[in-house]
Amino acid sequence: AQKVTQAQTEISVVEKEDVTLDCVYETRDTTYYLFWYKQPPSGELVFLIRRNSFDEQNEISGRYSWNFQKSTSSFNFTITASQVVDSAVYFCALFSSGSARQLTFGSGTQLTVLP
Amino acid sequence: DTGVSQDPRHKITKRGQNVTFRCDPISEHNRLYWYRQTLGQGPEFLTYFQNEAQLEKSRLLSDRFSAERPKGSFSTLEIQRTEQGDSAMYLCASSFYSGLPLYNYGYTFGSGTRLTVV
Repeated sequence: AQKVTQAQTEISVVEKEDVTLDCVYETRDTTYYLFWYKQPPSGELVFLIRRNSFDEQNEISGRYSWNFQKSTSSFNFTITASQVVDSAVYFCALFSSGSARQLTFGSGTQLTVLP
Repeated sequence: DTGVSQDPRHKITKRGQNVTFRCDPISEHNRLYWYRQTLGQGPEFLTYFQNEAQLEKSRLLSDRFSAERPKGSFSTLEIQRTEQGDSAMYLCASSFYSGLPLYNYGYTFGSGTRLTVV
């Protein structure tokens, strides 16, 4: 069975603060993919990043960075110098090519960035 | 082609009525997925198609739910005899699957259809 846990239900920060969203996953497969999606109030899921299980390099894209650690089964997401437009629900998701051919999502973290 | 389109965006229906949603995927994508998202939760998988074949159905997809993708392009999701518990956002996604085991799966989601059963 696959599972994704996002323990932080809601986070509030003041603009320009850094914020880290946690994601812990469970899978028995050795080949899998991890994703982060952003869901603004409009409802559409916006793809942010995809990482496969063989690539543990951290990634930085502008103000976004991701820390993938297989040893702790975590794939955390950091926003540096947060902005009001970052306010949204963020989902971590897992795709395993073995046992389940679909995305398993966490319950999401509601991020509110206050001006 | 601007992405995955879903119609309608919102649907309010009375309990017991039937509803049908449509999803138009990205044209070159051969896989199409339906997910359901209830308030405060992440999306949950319902079913997916590869071309016109429905390859997997979740236990969430009761007998009242049926999905089709008749020509391997657009898909419809029908809910018969709607119940209040069916109120949710129904999301469609598409992707291209090449058959290679390590293909880096990329999904594109639509904006969803929000169903309210009163």
